[in-house]
Amino acid sequence: EAGVAQSPRYKIIEKRQSVAFWCNPISGHATLYWYQQILGQGPKLLIQFQNNGVVDDSQLPKDRFSAERLKGVDSTLKIQPAKLEDSAVYLCASSSTGGTNQPQHFGDGTRLSIL
Amino acid sequence: GDSVTQMEGPVTLSEEAFLTINCTYTATGYPSLFWYVQYPGEGLQLLLKATKADDKGSNKGFEATYRKETTSFHLEKGSVQVSDSAVYFCALRVQGGSEKLVFGKGTKLTVNP
Repeated sequence: EAGVAQSPRYKIIEKRQSVAFWCNPISGHATLYWYQQILGQGPKLLIQFQNNGVVDDSQLPKDRFSAERLKGVDSTLKIQPAKLEDSAVYLCASSSTGGTNQPQHFGDGTRLSIL
Repeated sequence: GDSVTQMEGPVTLSEEAFLTINCTYTATGYPSLFWYVQYPGEGLQLLLKATKADDKGSNKGFEATYRKETTSFHLEKGSVQVSDSAVYFCALRVQGGSEKLVFGKGTKLTVNP
């Protein structure tokens, strides 16, 4: 089966600019996650969707970050305006529904550099 | 809150050496435990998992046993290869509510020929 697709792979912007990332989960996976992985740290959950509804966005900086999954399939994550501390790899993951033992499958991520 | 603590890296070993990467956790419920591996330039891949106490997860020669009494899930491999060079992340997921993974900081392993 095709894996989780993310684009772009790399993005370089200046602070205060805006940027958007795209994710297409594995076909049929109802749950989609966005993680932020800062260099030298483990990934941190930003937002979790179940179909097109938000399950958990408690760690999303809502003053600058937004995410949507309008049709319950692919998703976009936006940062506006970007800050230097947003430099990180943004990982998308998906899983099928059916309980906490369903594995999460990760994409290769988008590496964001803020100048 | 829920958290995972991994041994500090980096770890450098020679090929065929024995590997241990320590992982301990703090959780309010009954977590499932995972080891993920991240090769350079790639996303995370699930290496192994254990869902209840005393379970042993294993894959590709790696093993980890869920120890509730010591709240640990140490990763071991008897003989590492150069191809095992990667960053290893220990993670937990608590049943009920959000299914988010809580990760440790990762341990970078380099295996030299």
